[in-house]
Amino acid sequence: ILNVEQSPQSLHVQEGDSTNFTCSFPSSNFYALHWYRWETAKSPEALFVMTLNGDEKKKGRISATLNTKEGYSYLYIKGSQPEDSATYLCAFNDYKLSFGAGTTVTVRA
Amino acid sequence: EPEVTQTPSHQVTQMGQEVILRCVPISNHLYFYWYRQILGQKVEFLVSFYNNEISEKSEIFDDQFSVERPDGSNFTLKIRSTKLEDSAMYFCAKALAGNNEQFFGPGTRLTVL
Repeated sequence: ILNVEQSPQSLHVQEGDSTNFTCSFPSSNFYALHWYRWETAKSPEALFVMTLNGDEKKKGRISATLNTKEGYSYLYIKGSQPEDSATYLCAFNDYKLSFGAGTTVTVRA
Repeated sequence: EPEVTQTPSHQVTQMGQEVILRCVPISNHLYFYWYRQILGQKVEFLVSFYNNEISEKSEIFDDQFSVERPDGSNFTLKIRSTKLEDSAMYFCAKALAGNNEQFFGPGTRLTVL
């Protein structure tokens, strides 16, 4: 069982502020790292698939970076909005996904 | 975005009963997966399925679990004799290739009483 850790477990952000959180994973035998956005009662929404060390990906106000040598990825939300409130999951892909526990983001208006 | 639908959205069953959870992975993806999340725990991999056979399964996926894609469309997870600890949210996912992006359904909440 691969150990994928996310921190913090939860965070509260004021609307308009930026925030970031971490996913750490085993640095050996790396294939890909996935980020998902998950709202209650909905399908987890795929945000990014990251495969190369140094990858930076962006989708609107959300971006992610990847460091495979040290085994971590950051997710950034710039100018948080209430609709960004969700649980963000990372998952290590070695032909199956091993998930972290998620970071639950609550954006206060 | 590719769509995955799951039925039912919520299933309540008595311990020892059989349940079948269904997934309809619309489009031409080739790889299919089942995951589950017990309340308060991480999402866990159960099984992957490719070319009409299991390609990998976790230690959770014991003899009481089975999967099939009987008609080339629906992808089912059967739990033969449910236990209280099977209560969880079960997610179906699909991918074009084994290490590609996986697209998830909304899940089936299984409650075993």
